[in-house]
Amino acid sequence: QQQVKQSPQSLIVQKGGISIINCAYENTAFDYFPWYQQFPGKGPALLIAIRPDVSEKKEGRFTISFNKSAKQFSLHIMDSQPGDSATYFCAATSGSGNTGKLIFGQGTTLQVKP
Amino acid sequence: NAGVTQTPKFRILKIGQSMTLQCTQDMNHNYMYWYRQDPGMGLKLIYYSVGAGITDKGEVPNGYNVSRSTTEDFPLRLELAAPSQTSVYFCASSTTNTGELFFGEGSRLTVL
Repeated sequence: QQQVKQSPQSLIVQKGGISIINCAYENTAFDYFPWYQQFPGKGPALLIAIRPDVSEKKEGRFTISFNKSAKQFSLHIMDSQPGDSATYFCAATSGSGNTGKLIFGQGTTLQVKP
Repeated sequence: NAGVTQTPKFRILKIGQSMTLQCTQDMNHNYMYWYRQDPGMGLKLIYYSVGAGITDKGEVPNGYNVSRSTTEDFPLRLELAAPSQTSVYFCASSTTNTGELFFGEGSRLTVL
């Protein structure tokens, strides 16, 4: 019940296209869903995050869509650029007494071809 | 402002050896974490700390130990290294329990 399942494992998109990465969870106590971006040789960095009281959050070209009833959330990257090529991790946690421990998905390696 | 600093960046160990991965942060964050990253497996929490003197186990604590004597430092000790501990280790910190973590650049450990 603590798992977060992420797909696809890898993704190749043409420049200007839309990249979509999906995640699913089972623990209904989760109330914070961040996405992290990781470039080779670097640590992950927070990209965008959502709480379940909204169905969508947009920051620039990055959008999280959240479906509470289906227990799924996804990251959409619009107008994908070669600089977006990185590994993306979804994650989840519950705030109440959980000390912020994140449960990460397996990761998606995105390659944006010029 | 250095953020989260990890040393060493690379290390090769022989089976049965021990070592300590160092982690220090200069953001005065109370929460600190150690994760390991393996291909196709995401990041798994090893240990975490909510403040100096307080530590607790994460998902995969076996074979590791931690201590937190100061707010800044959170070293990870590997005792009797095994090939299964070959991985990239990330230290992270946060100021709240919201899940917004700041990661170091990682320490790549190979056990042969």
